[in-house]
Amino acid sequence: NAGVTQTPKFQVLKTGQSMTLQCAQDMNHEYMSWYRQDPGMGLRLIHYSVGAGITDQGEVPNGYNVSRSTTEDFPLRLLSAAPSQTSVYFCASSYPSPAGQISSYNEQFFGPGTRLTVL
Amino acid sequence: AQSVAQPEDQVNVAEGNPLTVKCTYSVSGNPYLFWYVQYPNRGLQFLLKYITGDNLVKGSYGFEAEFNKSQTSFHLKKPSALVSDSALYFCAVIFSGGYNKLIFGAGTRLAVHP
Repeated sequence: NAGVTQTPKFQVLKTGQSMTLQCAQDMNHEYMSWYRQDPGMGLRLIHYSVGAGITDQGEVPNGYNVSRSTTEDFPLRLLSAAPSQTSVYFCASSYPSPAGQISSYNEQFFGPGTRLTVL
Repeated sequence: AQSVAQPEDQVNVAEGNPLTVKCTYSVSGNPYLFWYVQYPNRGLQFLLKYITGDNLVKGSYGFEAEFNKSQTSFHLKKPSALVSDSALYFCAVIFSGGYNKLIFGAGTRLAVHP
């Protein structure tokens, strides 16, 4: 298993440009998520998905779009990049936590990250 | 509001000495607590979790953590630190009904000196 893969590893954008960060997992995980990591702030949830066709917003969704057409892929789109989006982005996946099943809060598997700089 | 605090930006320990990385939380309902580690230029790796049951949880690489409900804490510990333990450690919580939405602390950098 490759686990969770992310491309590209590094990207430099100019303000206003758009791009898509790719994320794929080969573990048949239903739950996938995107985080951004900024110094001194830990990781913050951007968007998440509990299965193909189902997405929802996290803590900091503004400026980002997602879609989930397959179980394996969960791309993150920046429609008009801003310097405030300079960050390291991590994709993660895990088995979901069905309501009422507290034993199913499973650990998340993280990709290696994408370092994005917006000038 | 649900939150996690890691009060120390950095912890310095001599190799062979015990280490503690502190974490406190504030959530409504039952917390589900996690520790992750991040090595340089890598993604996060899962260390251990507390869901229910025994308050002392054992995890990967000899780490353990103790859930203390009265103090709302979940400190990470290891009896004997290794230089290779040097990394960034994150505490995280899922609150009841949070559906795998992890809330992370700001992270604590652990430096183990030879």
